[in-house]
Amino acid sequence: GQQLNQSPQSMFIQEGEDVSMNCTSSSIFNTWLWYKQDPGEGPVLLIALYKAGELTSNGRLTAQFGITRKDSFLNISASIPSDVGIYFCAGPPPNTGNQFYFGTGTSLTVIP
Amino acid sequence: DGGITQSPKYLFRKEGQNVTLSCEQNLNHDAMYWYRQDPGQGLRLIYYSQIVNDFQKGDIAEGYSVSREKKESFPLTVTSAQKNPTAFYLCASSVSDRSTDTQYFGPGTRLTVL
Repeated sequence: GQQLNQSPQSMFIQEGEDVSMNCTSSSIFNTWLWYKQDPGEGPVLLIALYKAGELTSNGRLTAQFGITRKDSFLNISASIPSDVGIYFCAGPPPNTGNQFYFGTGTSLTVIP
Repeated sequence: DGGITQSPKYLFRKEGQNVTLSCEQNLNHDAMYWYRQDPGQGLRLIYYSQIVNDFQKGDIAEGYSVSREKKESFPLTVTSAQKNPTAFYLCASSVSDRSTDTQYFGPGTRLTVL
C-alpha cells in the first residue's frame, strides 16, 4: 500500500518530556491506527480511531482523528525509557479492498 | 490466548532455496496479509487475502507465493526468484468489517539468506 506522511522522522527527548507526532494523507480515512514497534518485534496496536474528531487515550498516550479525516496525531505524556521504539500510523482508505496504508514511522529515543 | 503466531522467529537459508514462512491466527479474522520490512524502512505489502482460497498481489509480490486453504493459515513462500530475500517478514490479520477496521500483527520472522 501507499505510505502516509508521518513526522517527525525521529525524536530525541529527555525522560519526562511530552512527545507529539502526526500523520497526514492525501486521501480521506475512515479509520486511523497507531502502532509501536520494538526492534525485532511485530508492531503492537496502541490506539484505534474510527470517527472524525475522536480523541482517545490509552494510559499516557492520546490520539486524535483529525476533523478533515486526512490526519491524525499521537501524543505521549511524561515519557519514560520504555517508550523507546518506532511509532507507525496506519489506516485503510475507502475503496482499497481492505488494504492498509502505513506511515514511514517516527523513531523515538528517550534519554534517561 | 488469541493472536497471530509466526514461526520460526529466525530462519537461515542458502541462496537458491525456496523457504516457507508460517502464519497462523485464531482471531477468526477474514483478511490476512504479508509485509516485508527492511532496516529503517516502512512496511511494504507482499500479498493479502480477504477470504479463503482467494488472494491478491501487493506492491512487491514478485518472487513470492502464498496460499489460503484455511481461514486460520496464510503461509508465504519466498522463492529463489526473489532477488533480495533477506528481510523481516510480518504477517497480519484484520476483521473485514468496514466500520471498525483494525489490523493486528504477528511477532515476525527474520529471514537471512546466505
